[in-house]
Amino acid sequence: AQKVTQAQTEISVVEKEDVTLDCVYETRDTTYYLFWYKQPPSGELVFLIRRNSFDEQNEISGRYSWNFQKSTSSFNFTITASQVVDSAVYFCALSEMITGGGNKLTFGTGTQLKVEL
Amino acid sequence: DTGVSQNPRHKITKRGQNVTFRCDPISEHNRLYWYRQTLGQGPEFLTYFQNEAQLEKSRLLSDRFSAERPKGSFSTLEIQRTEQGDSAMYLCASSLDGLTSGNTIYFGEGSWLTVV
Repeated sequence: AQKVTQAQTEISVVEKEDVTLDCVYETRDTTYYLFWYKQPPSGELVFLIRRNSFDEQNEISGRYSWNFQKSTSSFNFTITASQVVDSAVYFCALSEMITGGGNKLTFGTGTQLKVEL
Repeated sequence: DTGVSQNPRHKITKRGQNVTFRCDPISEHNRLYWYRQTLGQGPEFLTYFQNEAQLEKSRLLSDRFSAERPKGSFSTLEIQRTEQGDSAMYLCASSLDGLTSGNTIYFGEGSWLTVV
């Protein structure tokens, strides 16, 4: 069975600090995809990034960067120079293919990030 | 390009009543999903449609729950005889077709249900 663990329940930082959100996953699939979503207080899940299991290159997008390490089954997310607007719950998710080609996401329990002035 | 739209955004209902939520996916997306999220937890998969066909249902979807997507466009999720344990946010999502498990799934803002 698929499993995603986000051990950090809540993280508080002061604005401009860097912060890393951890994600560890379990799967028996040899090919899989990992995702990060952001959920602000409004409730909508905002897609941030998708990474497939064959691509272990780290990725940087503005202040966001992702570190995928297959050997440790981890897909960590770093925000550089955090801002108050980054305050939200961040979810890591693992995708599996289901009947008819659909994708089922298994989410972690999320990490609440609070960025204070 | 509009995103996934859900309504109502909030619903308070008495135990035993029926409720229905509507979801309008992104217009070109054939795949539609329903998830449920309770406080402090990540979303959990409920069901999946490819066009109008409901292809997979989670064990979480009891017989009081029914979802439809009659013309392959919008979808409804109905909960009959609501119970307090049904209180949660119901998220709808959609995606394009694809041959892998990597299609990006886009979520709506969710419909909050409170059963009193």
